[in-house]
Amino acid sequence: GAGVSQSPSNKVTEKGKDVELRCDPISGHTALYWYRQRLGQGLEFLIYFQGNSAPDKSGLPSDRFSAERTGESVSTLTIQRTQQEDSAVYLCASSSYLASETQYFGPGTRLLVL
Amino acid sequence: DAKTTQPPSMDCAEGRAANLPCNHSTISGNEYVYWYRQIHSQGPQYIIHGLKNNETNEMASLIITEDRKSSTLILPHATLRDTAVYYCIVLISIQWGNTPLVFGKGTRLSVIA
Repeated sequence: GAGVSQSPSNKVTEKGKDVELRCDPISGHTALYWYRQRLGQGLEFLIYFQGNSAPDKSGLPSDRFSAERTGESVSTLTIQRTQQEDSAVYLCASSSYLASETQYFGPGTRLLVL
Repeated sequence: DAKTTQPPSMDCAEGRAANLPCNHSTISGNEYVYWYRQIHSQGPQYIIHGLKNNETNEMASLIITEDRKSSTLILPHATLRDTAVYYCIVLISIQWGNTPLVFGKGTRLSVIA
């Protein structure tokens, strides 16, 4: 079956511009997660959704970051007024309690802010 | 903060078993041990998880000590494609909730021909 997909796969933007990153989770997975991975670094948790609700937004680095999820499916991560330090790979994962909550990751979106 | 400690790097000869250790001395009784790996330029990939019993699947075996303070991931016959960063993660598994993964720095396994 289809795995987690993310788009775009690569994004180059200018400092100060807004960007939207999309995640399509595995069908039927109730939980969806966003992580960030800077070059040469480990993964940082950003936010997760249980259904369409986000119980834990503690990982969002600033108020320039926001995320939403609709229809318990697609999620969008928006970064406003991008800064060079936002350059990273943004990874999305989904899980279902029916699968022991194993998280399945997408390939990521590589964001470069010039 | 990650609750696990792993060696930063390891080498393994192709075809031999790779044994990756992980210390989690503060693990709680309801926390599972999960292993993921990340091959260069890809998203993390789930490998295996366990609570207190040893586990085996088509990818690997997981050996958890009786006191649960450490574990070992075993790749029985390592191949070049197993070269990756391996992450050991402890995680509470709540039936009706979900918990984000907290990644440490992992172990960079290099499989050598």
